[in-house]
Amino acid sequence: QSALTQPASVSGSLGQSITISCTGTSSDIGYYDYVSWYQQHPGKAPKLIIFDVIDRPSGISNRFSGSKSGNTASLTISGLQAEDEADYYCSSYTGTGTHVVIGEGTRLTVL
Amino acid sequence: QLQLQESGPGLVKPSETLSLTCTGSGGSISSSSYHWGWIRQPPGKGLEWIASIYYTGSTYYNPSLKSRVTMSVDTSKDQFSLKLSSVTAADTAVYYCARVVRGSQFDNWGQGTLVTVSS
Repeated sequence: QSALTQPASVSGSLGQSITISCTGTSSDIGYYDYVSWYQQHPGKAPKLIIFDVIDRPSGISNRFSGSKSGNTASLTISGLQAEDEADYYCSSYTGTGTHVVIGEGTRLTVL
Repeated sequence: QLQLQESGPGLVKPSETLSLTCTGSGGSISSSSYHWGWIRQPPGKGLEWIASIYYTGSTYYNPSLKSRVTMSVDTSKDQFSLKLSSVTAADTAVYYCARVVRGSQFDNWGQGTLVTVSS
């Protein structure tokens, strides 16, 4: 079970938009619409920001949006703010046998 | 509002068994809507899913850890537990417990507990 592939780092300027990709296979992202994204600030527990590919939990800014095409899911953050600087992880359902695969993580730097 | 809290030793000797418990408060872990999971994060590294369990006791393990992992649930205490045997320094990590929605989506996390494997 290999981790989902994410870029190690991305950066963007205040107010700009960035997109983080998450690539899996036809057995996980490509098959199930159970992709989620997490934001993690240093020393803190991860926080769910996107679930079921495109949905946001209550209280999460609409600046965060998710999408999926084929075996690749994406997280877009628009109107970058300083507090968006964090690590971001994706995850996907993999079926009844194993259940979960998590991405390698992407560090977002806000310039 | 459900809150999850990990508990257990912060230091474990190599070759011994790491044991952690997650206690839920403000909600029941007997709900048929959720699984319950463990995720870990070595210092400076990414997240790794370890295992998940349903309130009925059905378990799902990361294949890379399956031979060393046991997960159990005690609905009477609103607790679920993790045991990881034959630990090495590579098992040093912050261990999180979490509520799992639709098999793989962690919507409620504990604060995490650092477990160090060292003699």
